[in-house]
Amino acid sequence: GAVVSQHPSWVICKSGTSVKIECRSLDFQATTMFWYRQFPKQSLMLMATSNEGSKATYEQGVEKDKFLINHASLTLSTLTVTSAHPEDSSFYICSARVVSTDTQYFGPGTRLTVL
Amino acid sequence: DAKTTQPTSMDCAEGRAANLPCNHSTISGNEYVYWYRQIHSQGPQYIIHGLKNNETNEMASLIITEDRKSSTLILPHATLRDTAVYYCIVRVVGNDMRFGAGTRLTVKP
Repeated sequence: GAVVSQHPSWVICKSGTSVKIECRSLDFQATTMFWYRQFPKQSLMLMATSNEGSKATYEQGVEKDKFLINHASLTLSTLTVTSAHPEDSSFYICSARVVSTDTQYFGPGTRLTVL
Repeated sequence: DAKTTQPTSMDCAEGRAANLPCNHSTISGNEYVYWYRQIHSQGPQYIIHGLKNNETNEMASLIITEDRKSSTLILPHATLRDTAVYYCIVRVVGNDMRFGAGTRLTVKP
């Protein structure tokens, strides 16, 4: 299957700082990538969909000014959590779609802890 | 996309087949059935998907009933490493994947 990577795998930051998470499709080009968030003992919740070269589409209730998404190339999407607060602590997972099979492949996730 | 219903949890003995059911009674003709699993603290792993025919790959088999209202994911010889949350998702081509609660499968020695 297709491989998606994320960096970093975990990050700890102070309240008020910004954190950037990278998502890369390693062996395919992805015109569409997705960002999910997962709180403990809960399922994955879709945050936003990003299309290469255009603005991301955010799910209802997700603040676009807080969660900045950039999809500047066919293999890289970034999520920046701005002015992070403890309630933003979560497991962030990205996904990329393989167009030929219309299948989404997921990264290993990034665990963010905001102190 | 159609809603799916899965049991909250299941146990399976190591070496035995694990059969995970999924109900999707409101599925429409252009919706595919996808299965993913998530091992603790990892991203979801794609397992298999199908439209109406049964499918098999190196990981599992997917059996879809003739009326397409339900399906079963079969892990033929479960190992301890198959312990995970299994998600059944129904979606139209091009739509994003949306996850329900899934089934927590525990494989026991």
